[in-house]
Amino acid sequence: DVKVTQSSRYLVKRTGEKVFLECVQDMDHENMFWYRQDPGLGLRLIYFSYDVKMKEKGDIPEGYSVSREKKERFSLILESASTNQTSMYLCASSLLRTSRENTQYFGPGTRLTVL
Amino acid sequence: QQQVKQSPQSLIVQKGGISIINCAYENTAFDYFPWYQQFPGKGPALLIAIRPDVSEKKEGRFTISFNKSAKQFSLHIMDSQPGDSATYFCAARRGVSNFGNEKLTFGTGTRLTIIP
Repeated sequence: DVKVTQSSRYLVKRTGEKVFLECVQDMDHENMFWYRQDPGLGLRLIYFSYDVKMKEKGDIPEGYSVSREKKERFSLILESASTNQTSMYLCASSLLRTSRENTQYFGPGTRLTVL
Repeated sequence: QQQVKQSPQSLIVQKGGISIINCAYENTAFDYFPWYQQFPGKGPALLIAIRPDVSEKKEGRFTISFNKSAKQFSLHIMDSQPGDSATYFCAARRGVSNFGNEKLTFGTGTRLTIIP
């Protein structure tokens, strides 16, 4: 079974702090994604990566950066946390397939509260 | 800009009834339409998916109906059970880029509650 793990289930940080959210997948997937989930807004893509050291902006990248130094690990960085970044953050991974259905596998999420 | 519109936001159905969740899209480049199911405290998980070259796909009690001309698709849950209570997200894939990656655009979610 595919397993996507996230470093923390709950996190509380102060405004202005630098925050690292870590995600690890154990199925050798090429693609990794970071989403945030907010009530009424669904899942919105922040960043994704299709290879080590490669990244592309999603729909809401402002205030975030990412790092992918190893294939299995994808980090989301909040350079200076703000209260409007309080949210549930979900990591996902998928295989690199060019022409077929491809499932994204999600981690359990990290609920981040910025005070 | 919401590219996939989902309704209703919440739904209450009696046990044994039919649950119906609707989604509409605008981008005709979308080529794959999955539904994800999310239980409290868990990440979303793929439930069922359809490609636009078929009008219906059924897996057990779950059916996707797809109307390409109307750019709409819906999830039907037959004989709904309390264990189906969850949040459901429709999604659409934007098509494959030169890098072969696959991004999904999600709807806003429907919280389904099945009452006894």
